[in-house]
Amino acid sequence: DIQMTQSPSTLSASVGDRVTITCRASQNISSWLAWYQQKPGKAPRLLIYRASTLETGVPSRFSGSGSGTDFTLTISSLQPDDFATYYCQQYNSYYPTFGQGTKVEIK
Amino acid sequence: DVQLVESGGGLVQPGGSLRLSCAASGFTFSTYAMSWVRQAPGKGLEWVSGISGSGISTYYADSVKGRFTISRDNSKNTLYLQMNSLRAEDTAVYYCARTPRRGIAATGTWRLDYWGQGTLVTVSS
Repeated sequence: DIQMTQSPSTLSASVGDRVTITCRASQNISSWLAWYQQKPGKAPRLLIYRASTLETGVPSRFSGSGSGTDFTLTISSLQPDDFATYYCQQYNSYYPTFGQGTKVEIK
Repeated sequence: DVQLVESGGGLVQPGGSLRLSCAASGFTFSTYAMSWVRQAPGKGLEWVSGISGSGISTYYADSVKGRFTISRDNSKNTLYLQMNSLRAEDTAVYYCARTPRRGIAATGTWRLDYWGQGTLVTVSS
């Protein structure tokens, strides 16, 4: 299985901050990477796919980059609605796997 | 609007069985592959199983292979997960999720663009 490792596990930030979350794959996954946002008690929401393509309806302050094994999710100016847990997911194989999640907390 | 509504969760004893359903609406169900993803209490996401739009191709995580069976009835726009030989570690919220493609390829398949609200399965004596 392809292992996905996110860092940090928890991030404390203020409204207006630029936030970056990193995801590393245990092997080359090309650009087959997605990012999801999950709020407590809710289902995950797809934010970005193919490493850098913004899903329809997702605010442009979210962006993704990377290829191969190293990827980043950036929120250019953190908004109150963005405090949540973020997961990366590889879909380069028949068996997709998720990172362990990064919780973005209010500083 | 796309809607996915799971049902069938509940409390079951270890070794027992349960069948989850996911009713889909707002899109042409048979043209989309589907998945089940679970989340244990306070933990991260784990993909459990996936099925092609036709229902011919199915895939399972090692943790459930041989115990769980995914299926679909395209005439009823419904996805299923039959869970047998349940263990305490299967306790989780189970989500169904849509993949925006019909077939399953070795790469690039399992992007999950719509999710249901989840149904809780608790395995305990």
